[in-house]
Amino acid sequence: ETGVTQSPTHLIKTRGQQVTLRCSSQSGHNTVSWYQQALGQGPQFIFQYYREEENGRGNFPPRFSGLQFPNYSSELNVNALELDDSALYLCASSLKLDQETQYFGPGTRLLVL
Amino acid sequence: GDSVTQMEGPVTLSEEAFLTINCTYTATGYPSLFWYVQYPGEGLQLLLKATKADDKGSNKGFEATYRKETTSFHLEKGSVQVSDSAVYFCALSQRGSEKLVFGKGTKLTVNP
Repeated sequence: ETGVTQSPTHLIKTRGQQVTLRCSSQSGHNTVSWYQQALGQGPQFIFQYYREEENGRGNFPPRFSGLQFPNYSSELNVNALELDDSALYLCASSLKLDQETQYFGPGTRLLVL
Repeated sequence: GDSVTQMEGPVTLSEEAFLTINCTYTATGYPSLFWYVQYPGEGLQLLLKATKADDKGSNKGFEATYRKETTSFHLEKGSVQVSDSAVYFCALSQRGSEKLVFGKGTKLTVNP
């Protein structure tokens, strides 16, 4: 059984640029969630995707957007990067019928200069 | 909105010491409660969970009891090991909700 994987592991961007982060769900999981973890803080929920549709969203602006593909892999896109977007971005997959049990990937660390 | 408050860290203990990390929550209804652990350079791993009042979650020697009357879910371990050094997060989730609400995390360092 393959766990949740994310790419890239690290990324450096400059303010105003756009970034795409990728996630492959654990085998058999049909739901993917994205979280932002700022340094020294707990993860904050960005949004969740189920059957390629957004299924809930946290308090993040529209420049944070996502996609889920038929194979349940996912992308997080952030436009017009700001310095405060520097964080660890975590992807988590789960089954829709058991959303409580989420399996997290190792994360992508984004630094915005 | 729902929120989770954890004791401030860092916590430093000697091997075989007793561990308690306090966690309290504010939420409507009866959320499920979780402890996640994050080892250096890794993602979050579910450590244990409890889904209703008075339930006790346990795993790898760690325990936590869902206390509705005190809205708490304190993490305990009787004898910590160096390998337990990590950041511990308390979290909650409402029934049918798509999101986990996390506390800020407590860093634990266990010295030999």
